[in-house]
Amino acid sequence: DSGVTQTPKHLITATGQRVTLRCSPRSGDLSVYWYQQSLDQGLQFLIQYYNGEERAKGNILERFSAQQFPDLHSELNLSSLELGDSALYFCASSAARQGSEQFFGPGTRLTVL
Amino acid sequence: LAKTTQPISMDSYEGQEVNITCSHNNIATNDYITWYQQFPSQGPRFIIQGYKTKVTNEVASLFIPADRKSSTLSLPRVSLSDTAVYYCLVGPNYGGATNKLIFGTGTLLAVQP
Repeated sequence: DSGVTQTPKHLITATGQRVTLRCSPRSGDLSVYWYQQSLDQGLQFLIQYYNGEERAKGNILERFSAQQFPDLHSELNLSSLELGDSALYFCASSAARQGSEQFFGPGTRLTVL
Repeated sequence: LAKTTQPISMDSYEGQEVNITCSHNNIATNDYITWYQQFPSQGPRFIIQGYKTKVTNEVASLFIPADRKSSTLSLPRVSLSDTAVYYCLVGPNYGGATNKLIFGTGTLLAVQP
């Protein structure tokens, strides 16, 4: 158990819909990262937040957005969903502002039908 | 961020030592080498990190030659539960740079009885 929690574990929805994925980092960790893992693209970095502020952006689509709240939990919002958005979405947290040791949550499996 | 090359797959038997080599010819002076392990449908898990020479922890050893253009993850006496994908990552760990993790394709280690 990494100490990072993600909800829901599974999500099935239809194309065009909007969903919100939630992540609670390890106690005390200020950085939260979101990653997408699909069969054809592998593990891809989406976005990082540090203490409520966006820190880095990766291959995140404009239809996707994220935020980190004052209690440090984070949400990833995916809208206008397409079949290709079906993937595992992982959240990770780390203690330092820049730290290669990231602790990953169990992931949310999103299926878009 | 330096590009990494590692074997797509490796086979081993229980009780053997496994060495997975990663090439990173373009490694920068402030880059660290980090290895993660991922089981199916789970988030990656940090194994070990190093900068030069040799690093050892309770799980693995990491060997880095003087030129740092490659590194070798060594797993002593593997068991069936070590069957997983192993990722080699190279990037800065401090000082102003973002800390998104860039995952390659990884090495699928299959341990057989």
